[in-house]
Amino acid sequence: AQSVSQHNHHVILSEAASLELGCNYSYGGTVNLFWYVQYPGQHLQLLLKYFSGDPLVKGIKGFEAEFIKSKFSFNLRKPSVQWSDTAEYFCAIRTPSNNDMRFGAGTRLTVKP
Amino acid sequence: NAGVTQTPKFQVLKTGQSMTLQCAQDMNHNSMYWYRQDPGMGLRLIYYSASEGTTDKGEVPNGYNVSRLNKREFSLRLESAAPSQTSVYFCASSARPSGTPRGSYNEQFFGPGTRLTVL
Repeated sequence: AQSVSQHNHHVILSEAASLELGCNYSYGGTVNLFWYVQYPGQHLQLLLKYFSGDPLVKGIKGFEAEFIKSKFSFNLRKPSVQWSDTAEYFCAIRTPSNNDMRFGAGTRLTVKP
Repeated sequence: NAGVTQTPKFQVLKTGQSMTLQCAQDMNHNSMYWYRQDPGMGLRLIYYSASEGTTDKGEVPNGYNVSRLNKREFSLRLESAAPSQTSVYFCASSARPSGTPRGSYNEQFFGPGTRLTVL
Protein backbone atom coordinates (compact mmCIF):
# COMPACT_ATOMS: atom_id res chain seq x y z
CA ALA A 1 0.00 0.00 0.00
CA GLN A 2 1.09 3.55 -0.57
CA SER A 3 2.49 5.61 2.32
CA VAL A 4 3.43 9.22 2.98
CA SER A 5 6.26 10.64 5.06
CA GLN A 6 6.43 14.14 6.43
CA HIS A 7 9.79 14.51 8.10
CA ASN A 8 9.24 17.88 9.76
CA HIS A 9 7.04 17.43 12.81
CA HIS A 10 7.13 21.02 14.02
CA VAL A 11 8.47 24.04 12.18
CA ILE A 12 8.80 27.45 13.81
CA LEU A 13 9.33 30.51 11.63
CA SER A 14 9.20 34.25 11.94
CA GLU A 15 6.84 36.25 9.77
CA ALA A 16 8.16 36.90 6.25
CA ALA A 17 10.43 33.85 6.35
CA SER A 18 10.24 31.38 3.50
CA LEU A 19 8.65 28.00 4.05
CA GLU A 20 9.31 24.57 2.65
CA LEU A 21 7.63 21.48 4.09
CA GLY A 22 8.80 18.12 2.93
CA CYS A 23 6.57 15.30 1.69
CA ASN A 24 7.77 12.00 0.30
CA TYR A 25 5.67 9.06 -0.76
CA SER A 26 6.21 5.44 -1.57
CA TYR A 27 4.38 4.13 -4.59
CA GLY A 28 5.72 3.13 -7.96
CA GLY A 29 2.85 4.13 -10.19
CA THR A 30 0.72 7.13 -11.03
CA VAL A 31 -0.40 9.12 -8.03
CA ASN A 32 -2.68 11.98 -7.09
CA LEU A 33 -1.13 14.28 -4.47
CA PHE A 34 -2.71 16.73 -2.08
CA TRP A 35 -1.81 19.22 0.61
CA TYR A 36 -4.42 19.98 3.25
CA VAL A 37 -4.28 22.57 6.01
CA GLN A 38 -5.98 22.42 9.41
CA TYR A 39 -6.19 25.73 11.27
CA PRO A 40 -6.54 25.50 15.05
CA GLY A 41 -9.94 24.12 15.98
CA GLN A 42 -11.05 23.73 12.38
CA HIS A 43 -11.45 20.91 9.89
CA LEU A 44 -9.14 20.12 7.02
CA GLN A 45 -9.22 22.31 3.94
CA LEU A 46 -7.58 21.66 0.59
CA LEU A 47 -4.59 23.87 -0.20
CA LEU A 48 -3.68 22.39 -3.56
CA LYS A 49 -3.65 19.18 -5.55
CA TYR A 50 -1.71 17.52 -8.33
CA PHE A 51 -3.30 15.07 -10.74
CA SER A 52 -1.25 15.48 -13.93
CA GLY A 53 0.41 18.09 -16.15
CA ASP A 54 2.58 20.93 -14.89
CA PRO A 55 4.46 19.61 -11.84
CA LEU A 56 4.46 23.04 -10.22
CA VAL A 57 1.05 23.51 -8.67
CA LYS A 58 -0.27 26.75 -7.26
CA GLY A 59 -2.84 26.71 -4.50
CA ILE A 60 -4.69 29.12 -2.30
CA LYS A 61 -3.15 31.73 -0.01
CA GLY A 62 0.12 31.91 -1.93
CA PHE A 63 1.12 28.28 -1.43
CA GLU A 64 2.65 26.15 -4.15
CA ALA A 65 4.03 22.65 -4.41
CA GLU A 66 6.33 20.90 -6.82
CA PHE A 67 5.94 17.29 -7.84
CA ILE A 68 9.32 15.66 -8.50
CA LYS A 69 8.59 12.17 -9.73
CA SER A 70 12.21 11.00 -9.60
CA LYS A 71 12.41 11.92 -5.93
CA PHE A 72 8.88 10.76 -5.02
CA SER A 73 8.40 14.17 -3.46
CA PHE A 74 5.70 16.84 -3.31
CA ASN A 75 7.12 19.63 -1.15
CA LEU A 76 5.00 22.58 -0.11
CA ARG A 77 6.42 26.09 -0.36
CA LYS A 78 5.50 29.66 0.42
CA PRO A 79 7.91 32.59 -0.16
CA SER A 80 6.79 34.65 2.83
CA VAL A 81 4.72 33.24 5.69
CA GLN A 82 2.25 35.17 7.81
CA TRP A 83 1.13 34.69 11.39
CA SER A 84 -2.20 33.46 10.02
CA ASP A 85 -0.43 30.51 8.38
CA THR A 86 0.00 28.93 11.81
CA ALA A 87 -1.68 25.57 11.34
CA GLU A 88 -1.05 21.89 10.78
CA TYR A 89 -0.27 20.79 7.23
CA PHE A 90 -0.96 17.35 5.86
CA CYS A 91 0.32 15.76 2.69
CA ALA A 92 -1.84 13.02 1.18
CA ILE A 93 -1.61 10.56 -1.67
CA ARG A 94 -4.14 8.60 -3.63
CA THR A 95 -3.51 6.06 -6.34
CA PRO A 96 -6.00 6.07 -9.22
CA SER A 97 -6.46 2.33 -8.89
CA ASN A 98 -8.29 2.57 -5.59
CA ASN A 99 -10.35 4.84 -3.45
CA ASP A 100 -7.99 4.82 -0.50
CA MET A 101 -6.25 8.04 0.46
CA ARG A 102 -3.29 8.00 2.83
CA PHE A 103 -2.21 10.97 4.89
CA GLY A 104 1.14 11.86 6.34
CA ALA A 105 1.50 12.44 10.08
CA GLY A 106 1.33 16.18 9.58
CA THR A 107 3.67 19.13 10.16
CA ARG A 108 2.76 21.74 12.72
CA LEU A 109 3.77 25.23 11.59
CA THR A 110 4.08 28.02 14.12
CA VAL A 111 4.67 31.51 12.75
CA LYS A 112 5.88 34.06 15.26
CA PRO A 113 4.64 37.64 14.74
CA ASN B 1 -24.88 24.30 0.99
CA ALA B 2 -23.80 23.08 4.39
CA GLY B 3 -21.14 20.78 2.91
CA VAL B 4 -20.28 17.92 5.25
CA THR B 5 -21.94 17.92 8.66
CA GLN B 6 -21.21 15.69 11.63
CA THR B 7 -22.99 15.03 14.90
CA PRO B 8 -22.24 15.14 17.73
CA LYS B 9 -19.31 17.56 18.07
CA PHE B 10 -18.20 16.14 21.40
CA GLN B 11 -18.92 12.87 23.18
CA VAL B 12 -17.69 11.16 26.32
CA LEU B 13 -18.28 7.44 26.70
CA LYS B 14 -17.48 4.83 29.28
CA THR B 15 -15.63 1.69 28.22
CA GLY B 16 -18.08 -0.78 26.74
CA GLN B 17 -20.74 1.73 25.76
CA SER B 18 -21.89 1.99 22.17
CA MET B 19 -22.60 4.99 20.02
CA THR B 20 -23.09 6.07 16.42
CA LEU B 21 -21.44 9.04 14.79
CA GLN B 22 -23.54 10.63 12.08
CA CYS B 23 -22.32 12.23 8.87
CA ALA B 24 -24.25 13.83 6.04
CA GLN B 25 -23.26 15.69 2.87
CA ASP B 26 -25.36 17.80 0.56
CA MET B 27 -22.98 17.97 -2.40
CA ASN B 28 -24.34 14.90 -4.18
CA HIS B 29 -20.99 13.16 -3.78
CA ASN B 30 -20.63 9.48 -4.54
CA SER B 31 -17.96 8.61 -2.01
CA MET B 32 -17.80 9.06 1.72
CA TYR B 33 -15.10 8.30 4.29
CA TRP B 34 -14.47 8.04 8.00
CA TYR B 35 -11.06 8.94 9.44
CA ARG B 36 -9.62 9.16 12.91
CA GLN B 37 -6.97 11.73 13.78
CA ASP B 38 -4.48 11.04 16.54
CA PRO B 39 -1.49 13.19 17.55
CA GLY B 40 1.60 12.39 15.54
CA MET B 41 -0.22 9.94 13.30
CA GLY B 42 -2.13 12.15 10.92
CA LEU B 43 -5.43 10.90 9.58
CA ARG B 44 -6.05 7.21 9.23
CA LEU B 45 -8.87 5.81 7.14
CA ILE B 46 -11.31 3.64 9.07
CA TYR B 47 -13.92 2.79 6.42
CA TYR B 48 -15.09 4.24 3.18
CA SER B 49 -18.02 3.94 0.84
CA ALA B 50 -17.21 4.38 -2.83
CA SER B 51 -20.87 4.62 -3.73
CA GLU B 52 -24.29 4.10 -2.22
CA GLY B 53 -24.69 0.49 -1.19
CA THR B 54 -20.99 -0.32 -0.87
CA THR B 55 -18.56 -0.09 2.03
CA ASP B 56 -14.93 -1.13 2.36
CA LYS B 57 -12.39 -1.36 5.15
CA GLY B 58 -9.64 1.19 5.35
CA GLU B 59 -6.41 1.16 7.29
CA VAL B 60 -7.82 0.78 10.84
CA PRO B 61 -11.31 -0.79 10.74
CA ASN B 62 -11.18 -2.96 13.88
CA GLY B 63 -13.77 -2.01 16.48
CA TYR B 64 -15.93 -0.06 14.03
CA ASN B 65 -18.86 -0.66 11.72
CA VAL B 66 -20.39 1.61 9.12
CA SER B 67 -23.66 2.05 7.29
CA ARG B 68 -24.19 3.94 4.06
CA LEU B 69 -27.81 4.75 4.70
CA ASN B 70 -28.34 6.57 1.41
CA LYS B 71 -26.27 8.77 -0.87
CA ARG B 72 -26.19 11.58 1.68
CA GLU B 73 -25.53 9.77 4.94
CA PHE B 74 -22.70 7.59 6.22
CA SER B 75 -22.65 6.58 9.88
CA LEU B 76 -19.87 5.11 12.02
CA ARG B 77 -20.73 2.84 14.93
CA LEU B 78 -18.66 1.83 17.92
CA GLU B 79 -20.31 -1.28 19.36
CA SER B 80 -18.19 -1.48 22.51
CA ALA B 81 -16.02 1.57 23.01
CA ALA B 82 -12.45 1.23 24.25
CA PRO B 83 -10.02 3.90 25.54
CA SER B 84 -7.90 3.29 22.43
CA GLN B 85 -10.75 4.76 20.40
CA THR B 86 -10.35 8.14 22.04
CA SER B 87 -9.71 10.34 19.04
CA VAL B 88 -11.07 13.01 16.75
CA TYR B 89 -13.21 11.53 14.01
CA PHE B 90 -13.62 13.18 10.64
CA CYS B 91 -16.07 12.37 7.92
CA ALA B 92 -15.29 13.33 4.32
CA SER B 93 -16.86 13.06 0.90
CA SER B 94 -15.66 13.29 -2.66
CA ALA B 95 -17.11 13.26 -6.15
CA ARG B 96 -16.01 11.43 -9.22
CA PRO B 97 -16.06 13.76 -12.20
CA SER B 98 -18.50 12.46 -14.77
CA GLY B 99 -16.96 10.72 -17.75
CA THR B 100 -13.71 9.88 -15.98
CA PRO B 101 -12.48 6.39 -15.28
CA ARG B 102 -12.84 4.79 -11.91
CA GLY B 103 -10.27 6.15 -9.54
CA SER B 104 -10.19 9.70 -10.93
CA TYR B 105 -11.73 11.11 -7.82
CA ASN B 106 -11.63 14.72 -6.88
CA GLU B 107 -10.37 16.05 -3.58
CA GLN B 108 -12.12 15.20 -0.33
CA PHE B 109 -14.22 17.67 1.61
CA PHE B 110 -14.13 17.29 5.37
CA GLY B 111 -16.63 17.77 8.14
CA PRO B 112 -15.87 19.67 11.37
CA GLY B 113 -15.03 16.54 13.35
CA THR B 114 -16.27 14.74 16.46
CA ARG B 115 -14.05 14.68 19.53
CA LEU B 116 -14.63 11.38 21.30
CA THR B 117 -13.27 10.49 24.73
CA VAL B 118 -13.59 6.97 26.08
CA LEU B 119 -12.97 6.66 29.80
